[in-house]
Amino acid sequence: DTAVSQTPKYLVTQMGNDKSIKCEQNLGHDTMYWYKQDSKKFLKIMFSYNNKELIINETVPNRFSPKSPDKAHLNLHINSLELGDSAVYFCASSPPTGEYGYTFGSGTRLTVV
Amino acid sequence: SQKIEQNSEALNIQEGKTATLTCNYTNYSPAYLQWYRQDPGRGPVFLLLIRENEKEKRKERLKVTFDTTLKQSLFHITASQPADSATYLCALANSGNTPLVFGKGTRLSVIA
Repeated sequence: DTAVSQTPKYLVTQMGNDKSIKCEQNLGHDTMYWYKQDSKKFLKIMFSYNNKELIINETVPNRFSPKSPDKAHLNLHINSLELGDSAVYFCASSPPTGEYGYTFGSGTRLTVV
Repeated sequence: SQKIEQNSEALNIQEGKTATLTCNYTNYSPAYLQWYRQDPGRGPVFLLLIRENEKEKRKERLKVTFDTTLKQSLFHITASQPADSATYLCALANSGNTPLVFGKGTRLSVIA
């Protein structure tokens, strides 16, 4: 009965590799998000996406790309991984108007070595 | 530049006391403000939302105030318990169509 699920929970990979993190929500929400939480625990928006619009935080490198096969899924693909990409990545979802709380997944801890 | 500041990185209080956490913002005109709880190794969990035209919102032992003139929200936990120990995040958005922006959080420790 998990509302927002992310896989994998842990990901260790070498610099230069390409990796994907998957996210699925079963809440029927229209909007999904990716946030990055760095070592200082600061939670930063990376992308928000619904069926109509992708909003990209301008500070996100174009090595990061969201891919949404359908309304319930928003995967995060990362090319040419760098050491600085090491962080915890959270997926979240919300109803379309935004005036509701977000439901977050449990996070994916990415370590680039 | 836009800022969301939670003025205490860490706050220690005695069990049974009221914890008060502060969130200040600059260069935002938020339509609403939200508070979340985050435990180690977990994702943030939504607690409360307060709209720009609301002064106060309550939920059980939690109370949130929102002063758009001072550009500040206060988050209170009454009769605090050790189980309330966690990091509390405030977040806001200028409209329903823009993603939430989060403060850096305040780590609350309730000491028995």
